[in-house]
Amino acid sequence: KQEVTQIPAALSVPEGENLVLNCSFTDSAIYNLQWFRQDPGKGLTSLLLIQSSQREQTSGRLNASLDKSSGRSTLYIAASQPGDSATYLCAVRRSGGGADGLTFGKGTHLIIQP
Amino acid sequence: GAGVSQSPSNKVTEKGKDVELRCDPISGHTALYWYRQSLGQGLEFLIYFQGNSAPDKSGLPSDRFSAERTGGSVSTLTIQRTQQEDSAVYLCASSSRTGSSYNEQFFGPGTRLTVL
Repeated sequence: KQEVTQIPAALSVPEGENLVLNCSFTDSAIYNLQWFRQDPGKGLTSLLLIQSSQREQTSGRLNASLDKSSGRSTLYIAASQPGDSATYLCAVRRSGGGADGLTFGKGTHLIIQP
Repeated sequence: GAGVSQSPSNKVTEKGKDVELRCDPISGHTALYWYRQSLGQGLEFLIYFQGNSAPDKSGLPSDRFSAERTGGSVSTLTIQRTQQEDSAVYLCASSSRTGSSYNEQFFGPGTRLTVL
């Protein structure tokens, strides 16, 4: 059974710092990996999707990398801003026959101090 | 439509009653997913619909849970004889497919279900 772990569970840093959020998964047979942010009381906002054949994806100040063989992904946030404060979730979709939903980590709760 | 919509946004019910939760996916998206987010369990997959294929029900926690998708668009998640442990936020997502590729999933705002 796929398990997704996110480290750290919580992080508080001053505004302007660059930071890295970590995600690891136990089964490397994945189809893709997706990073989301969730604001309190809201749904999920998709940030980046990395297909299994890709190594990284970039969107603005965000960069996500994927090392499928070692079961790891990182989300890099450059020049953090208070508006980046949210919970960041990593999720993987398995590959192989059939199809099912995403398996999520429990998230990293990020606070950017003004 | 602008995005995935869900209704109601909040639902309070008494233990033992049935509830129906509705999801309107993004127009043109063939795949639709239901997830549940609870404090202790995090986000967990419930059920997946792809086009006219039989749904993948592998995540449904019990036979009290069922879902249908009419006309390949709107979906309804039904929970019969609700229990207090069913209290959670129920999230719906949809995605498109490009050939054999699964594209990113877009989530709705969720329905917060409270079972008293």
